[in-house]
Amino acid sequence: GAVVSQHPSRVICKSGTSVKIECRSLDFQATTMFWYRQFPKQSLMLMATSNEGSKATYEQGVEKDKFLINHASLTLSTLTVTSAHPEDSSFYICSAIEPGPTPRPTGELFFGEGSRLTVL
Amino acid sequence: SQQGEEDPQALSIQEGENATMNCSYKTSINNLQWYRQNSGRGLVHLILIRSNEREKHSGRLRVTLDTSKKSSSLLITASRAADTASYFCATLSFYGQNFVFGPGTRLSVLP
Repeated sequence: GAVVSQHPSRVICKSGTSVKIECRSLDFQATTMFWYRQFPKQSLMLMATSNEGSKATYEQGVEKDKFLINHASLTLSTLTVTSAHPEDSSFYICSAIEPGPTPRPTGELFFGEGSRLTVL
Repeated sequence: SQQGEEDPQALSIQEGENATMNCSYKTSINNLQWYRQNSGRGLVHLILIRSNEREKHSGRLRVTLDTSKKSSSLLITASRAADTASYFCATLSFYGQNFVFGPGTRLSVLP
């Protein structure tokens, strides 16, 4: 299946710093990528949908200025957690979908391995 | 809000037994997918079933879909210790653009 690479897998930072997480589709072009957040023993909560060449669509309750998403190319989306605080500590997972019949994605999602953020 | 609801939330069985997990949803869907997640890792796609399908098989996995009851089940036969993981169902609504994940079932297969 398709491969999605996420980097870094783990990051520890001090409160107030910004952290960037990259999500790359390695063998396909992804016009749409999704960013999820997962707390321990809980499900994935969609944060935003990243669209190549346009602004991301954020879910209700997700701060756009806090979680900056950039989808500059068909293979790369980045999530920047700005001015991180301990409550931002979480597991962040990206996923991408192989292009299918437009405009609706109907295929399977391919996930990165996740990035565990710990804010001290 | 989460659409899919997995049942049970936690399941512990002996190796060799079958494991059945259920998922219910609320709106019309395009397809339903099951994913597996090992602790601290990303999700791995297991199987996709479309709204016009009723049953699919893949190796030791069997998925059913009942659109009249808005529910799906995942059956893992002859379970192994390596099947220990969390299993999530995800639904793509008929007019949706993204997938909604249920809370997941934590499966423990004891050797």
